[in-house]
Amino acid sequence: EAGVTQFPSHSVIEKGQTVTLRCDPISGHDNLYWYRRVMGKEIKFLLHFVKESKQDESGMPNNRFLAERTGGTYSTLKVQPAELEDSGVYFCASRQGTGYTFGSGTRLTVV
Amino acid sequence: AQSVTQLDSQVPVFEEAPVELRCNYSSSVSVYLFWYVQYPNQGLQLLLKYLSGSTLVESINGFEAEFNKSQTSFHLRKPSVHISDTAEYFCAVTIISGSARQLTFGSGTQLTVLP
Repeated sequence: EAGVTQFPSHSVIEKGQTVTLRCDPISGHDNLYWYRRVMGKEIKFLLHFVKESKQDESGMPNNRFLAERTGGTYSTLKVQPAELEDSGVYFCASRQGTGYTFGSGTRLTVV
Repeated sequence: AQSVTQLDSQVPVFEEAPVELRCNYSSSVSVYLFWYVQYPNQGLQLLLKYLSGSTLVESINGFEAEFNKSQTSFHLRKPSVHISDTAEYFCAVTIISGSARQLTFGSGTQLTVLP
């Protein structure tokens, strides 16, 4: 089966610009999560979708971050406008039962 | 809320030596426990997990971890490491009850195997 796909793998943008990250989960996985790792710190939870609904978005840093999951399939995470502190690696994961599968991540650099 | 502490941020070890990567967690409710590995330029891969049953769990590449409820620990061990084990290792927990199952991670341990 195909794994979790994230793109782009890398993105370098200027402060104030907009970036959209995409995640394609494993087909049939209702649960989709976004996580972020900033500057070698711990990986932190951002939000959780069940199908197309946001189950928990308590980890979203602020209202510059907007996540969507169209039709319960792929998900996007938009950062607008990007700030320097948004730099980091953004991971997506999908889950069925206790089996999480992570994507390779998107490394975002804001300059 | 849960928390995970990985006491060592960097662990250098010579090839064929044993290694232990430490993980302690804090939670007021029962949890599942995981170890993930991130090889250079790759994503997170599940190494092993403890859900229930035997407290000793093993991975296919020779790692093992033991769940110790009294000490709230889930240390990862390997009796003889290889150069290819060089990677960053993350301990994580999730609560058993409910359906959210978000993971709480430790800060990671960089294992470097030296020739």
